[in-house]
Amino acid sequence: EIVLTQSPGTLSLSPGERATLSCRASQSVNSNYLVWYQQKPGQALRLLIYGASSRATGIPDRFSGSGSGTDFTLTISRLEPEDLAVYYCQQLGNSGYIFGQGTKLEI
Amino acid sequence: QVQLAQSGAEVKQPGASVKVSCKASGYTFTGYFIHWVRQAPGQGLEWMGIVRPSAGTTKYAQKFQGRVTMASDTSTSTVYMELSRLGSEDTATYYCARELPNSYYFDYWGQGTLVTVSS
Repeated sequence: EIVLTQSPGTLSLSPGERATLSCRASQSVNSNYLVWYQQKPGQALRLLIYGASSRATGIPDRFSGSGSGTDFTLTISRLEPEDLAVYYCQQLGNSGYIFGQGTKLEI
Repeated sequence: QVQLAQSGAEVKQPGASVKVSCKASGYTFTGYFIHWVRQAPGQGLEWMGIVRPSAGTTKYAQKFQGRVTMASDTSTSTVYMELSRLGSEDTATYYCARELPNSYYFDYWGQGTLVTVSS
């Protein structure tokens, strides 16, 4: 089964900086099924990116996704304090959905 | 607006069962799938299964086969997830999430239901 490995585990940056979050699959995957979510403390999860690079409705263009094959990236340009959250990638596997372990973004 | 309203927190003894509900509103209930995902304290996300309200069908993650039952009630736009033979490892927040059929992403999530298994 596919394993998604996210790095780094924790990322500490300052407002205005650029964040680059990685999601690496243990084997080549279909980028159409690569998704990114944001989990803020005490809030419901929020869909950010689907199909590896398509922004969900209402998501600021500061958020962008890229990648193919085994390597995918979520980039947040011009960080804002509200971006403090844990970010998860998701992929459709053979038997269901698989999530990475998450990257905690500290601002 | 789309809402997935989940039932409240539960405390259960080991060996018991728990049933969590997810009431949908703000959209056509039968036009979407509902997934269940759980998150143990301080851990990542784990997919449990899917309910297709329009067809009344389900699919479960292999890990939970035989122990989980998911169902939908179209008259109340509610989806249920029941997990039996609870152990301490089942202590987690359980989320429902919506999927437009064959989109392969979850566009709305419930707020989560904390289930604590403790004697």
